[in-house]
Amino acid sequence: KAGVTQTPRYLIKTRGQQVTLSCSPISGHRSVSWYQQTPGQGLQFLFEYFSETQRNKGNFPGRFSGRQFSNSRSEMNVSTLELGDSALYLCASSSIPAGGRAFFGQGTRLTVV
Amino acid sequence: TQLLEQSPQFLSIQEGENLTVYCNSSSVFSSLQWYRQEPGEGPVLLVTVVTGGEVKKLKRLTFQFGDARKDSSLHITAAQPGDTGLYLCAGSQGNTPLVFGKGTRLSVIA
Repeated sequence: KAGVTQTPRYLIKTRGQQVTLSCSPISGHRSVSWYQQTPGQGLQFLFEYFSETQRNKGNFPGRFSGRQFSNSRSEMNVSTLELGDSALYLCASSSIPAGGRAFFGQGTRLTVV
Repeated sequence: TQLLEQSPQFLSIQEGENLTVYCNSSSVFSSLQWYRQEPGEGPVLLVTVVTGGEVKKLKRLTFQFGDARKDSSLHITAAQPGDTGLYLCAGSQGNTPLVFGKGTRLSVIA
């Protein structure tokens, strides 16, 4: 079974730009969660999708958004990038929503300059 | 406010030594998971504990869930360089997303 695939692996963007990250979950998994990981704050929950519906949202500004498609693939978008958005963005897939066993992708390392 | 506090933040030990890392909270969790993350990779699940007082062993790793389901510990016996990594605990309160601690960065020196 293929694991969770995140693309791209690395990204460098300029302040003010917007970015879209992609996540393909494990086949058959319908729950996708996104986390932001920074050295200072650790892993912080962004949002969770299950069967194309956002089930939970973390405490992030509206510049952060996401969606899930009918094939369970998910994208997250960050608009008007700030330096502080530099982080590792991790996607996790699960067969059940909220708190189930989560399988993580390798992440997308975003650097904002 | 960090719901899950992990300690220590950093740990550097010699190969063969034993160590314990802690994950504490004032909140009750229905289950607690431990992950290990290596540089450039996503976290990988090691174990899930769900019952207060539960002890699970995974080779040289022993995981314990506190009786009140508010805390957990991970004990590694005879650490090896391959144990090096970031150890994360994550708690679930039922129908809510996982909450992660900031992690313990372990370095085992040969």
